[in-house]
Amino acid sequence: QVQLQESGPGLVKPSETLSLTCTVSGDSISSNYWSWIRQPPGKGLEWIGYIYDSVLTNYNPSLKSRVTISADKSKNQFSLKLSSVTAADTAVYYCTRDFYDSTGYTYMDVWGKGTTVTVSS
Amino acid sequence: SSELTQDPAVSVALGQTVTITCQGDSLRAYYASWYQQRPGQAPRLVIYGKNNRPSGIPERFSGSDSGTTASLTITGAQAEDEADYYCQSRDRSSTHHHVPFGGGTKLTVL
Repeated sequence: QVQLQESGPGLVKPSETLSLTCTVSGDSISSNYWSWIRQPPGKGLEWIGYIYDSVLTNYNPSLKSRVTISADKSKNQFSLKLSSVTAADTAVYYCTRDFYDSTGYTYMDVWGKGTTVTVSS
Repeated sequence: SSELTQDPAVSVALGQTVTITCQGDSLRAYYASWYQQRPGQAPRLVIYGKNNRPSGIPERFSGSDSGTTASLTITGAQAEDEADYYCQSRDRSSTHHHVPFGGGTKLTVL
């Protein structure tokens, strides 16, 4: 059974960098796509970006200038860094496993429980 | 455009059928996927591809598509189906690759 677990600081100061890690069990991060998704309080879901084969990345165009997703194959983890955060980055952050069908559609079949990050001084 | 549009709220009487829709240009090229999110929980996949259900998702959940509209239908809604539902697609061009979500539909079971 594949399980994902997010971890990282729950409080980040404005203008600093948010850093989160997703630990994967039951699957290898060297296969499949792995994404970060966030949900501000009371709002909908927003895709942040993905990493594939531990190297290839793709980011939401609206966040691209501030986002870095990387992977550590030795620990079977992938990480999110979001720089220059503001209160608007306060959200629950989820990591997911994604599939891309040969016809092109994609879906997220495994989700972590999510971790709440608050941006405040 | 990569935007996906959903009605903010829908209600259904217990045991009746309800359809939640999602509109967007990207749906001409790619099937939508659907997620259920109960309060305080992470989203979970309920429909993907043409009309596929992951293991453990009841048969009363089904998906369909037509042009730029994707639909999620619950046939015989149960109290436990009360939740937020999100559609998700893909938007790919020569300059970017995006994975948009709809704004979500809050389903109330009366």
